[in-house]
Amino acid sequence: DSGVTQTPKHLITATGQRVTLRCSPRSGDLSVYWYQQSLDQGLQFLIQYYNGEERAKGNILERFSAQQFPDLHSELNLSSLELGDSALYFCASSVAKGQRGYTFGSGTRLTVV
Amino acid sequence: AQSVAQPEDQVNVAEGNPLTVKCTYSVSGNPYLFWYVQYPNRGLQFLLKYITGDNLVKGSYGFEAEFNKSQTSFHLKKPSALVSDSALYFCAVTHPDSWGKLQFGAGTQVVVTP
Repeated sequence: DSGVTQTPKHLITATGQRVTLRCSPRSGDLSVYWYQQSLDQGLQFLIQYYNGEERAKGNILERFSAQQFPDLHSELNLSSLELGDSALYFCASSVAKGQRGYTFGSGTRLTVV
Repeated sequence: AQSVAQPEDQVNVAEGNPLTVKCTYSVSGNPYLFWYVQYPNRGLQFLLKYITGDNLVKGSYGFEAEFNKSQTSFHLKKPSALVSDSALYFCAVTHPDSWGKLQFGAGTQVVVTP
């Protein structure tokens, strides 16, 4: 157990729907990162939050949004889902800026049918 | 911009033989470099990192990596591979001034045969 908790582990939904992925960071970590892993795109950085504020943004689609709450857990919202959004979504956390590496959760596997 | 290249999609090695997984990087300034491993249906597990100091970095499970600034490489090595080392290995780079966004390579599948 890495200490980073992601729920749900698996999610199957239809095109056009909206889902929310949840992440609880490791105790004491203030930064949360979201990554998407797909067969064709590899591991893509989506977004980072530090203590509730957005700090870095990557290749995140406009249909996707995220936030970090006062208790430091984070949610990634995916809307108007398309077949191509099927992927493994990872959350990771670090104490601060994360340049020294961070800890990954086990991921949420999203299947859009 | 920062980037990472893992030139081999797959590395095959017999158990007991040395294992090397290659990684080259491109980043302005001094890089922070990482290796992660992913087992099937699992998250990424941290193996080792180079921040500064000794170019030879030792990590988990008997792995080590050598930072070579002139060749901009950070190859992962293990002297004697185990069947249980079969997994997907990712090299990643970030910049010290960044907010921790890791740029990952495409990954190298390691297959260790008995």
